[in-house]
Amino acid sequence: DVQVVESGGGSVQTGGSLRLSCEVSGFSFSNFWMSWVRQAPGKGLEWVANIKQDGSEKNYVDSVNGRFTISRDNARNSLYLQMNSLRAEDTAVYYCARAIRDSQYSPFDYWGQGSLVTVSS
Amino acid sequence: DIVMTQSPDSLAVSLGERATINCRSSQSLLYSSNNMNYFAWYQQKPGQPPKVLIHWASTRESGVPDRFSGSGSGTDFTLTISSLQAEDVAVYYCQQYYSHPSTFGQGTRLEIK
Repeated sequence: DVQVVESGGGSVQTGGSLRLSCEVSGFSFSNFWMSWVRQAPGKGLEWVANIKQDGSEKNYVDSVNGRFTISRDNARNSLYLQMNSLRAEDTAVYYCARAIRDSQYSPFDYWGQGSLVTVSS
Repeated sequence: DIVMTQSPDSLAVSLGERATINCRSSQSLLYSSNNMNYFAWYQQKPGQPPKVLIHWASTRESGVPDRFSGSGSGTDFTLTISSLQAEDVAVYYCQQYYSHPSTFGQGTRLEIK
């Protein structure tokens, strides 16, 4: 069975940092593009970042570019999101998601349960 | 960025009846080289992550009941639930993956009348 488990969320002050982790099992992690998608409380979905299988290509939504860094460790079947200079508007549940197809242009078929990040002053 | 606009924002349908949700994109999602629409539908139930129902605008994901169908091309797309079941109560989102950044619609809340 495929499992996707996020961790590392919590409460942080404005301007602070947090690192999210996503550990997967049940599929060959190194064969798939992976993404982070977030959802603010009571709101819709926003794609945040993605990373190619070997980590050689990374993409970000403009609102986090320069503040967030996506990375992966294929030996540990793990995806990461380093979040710096956090703002109140970054408050959301952050989901780790697998791309269906071998492309950055892809829908997502497996999602974790999410990790809540709360940024406040 | 491509803007995805869903209609209606909320919808109440009787059990066994048809439910229709629409999504319009601000530019065409049809890639001419392969004639595919880079478009998907998701279902999200309370407290759960989204679940992909349809991709390539009309390809049902494995395990999704056949009462769910997707149609449309270019900029206008439709999700149809042919006979609403109680377990279909959820928020439905559309997504474009034609260009960076991938974007989602604002969601349509589907309830039982």
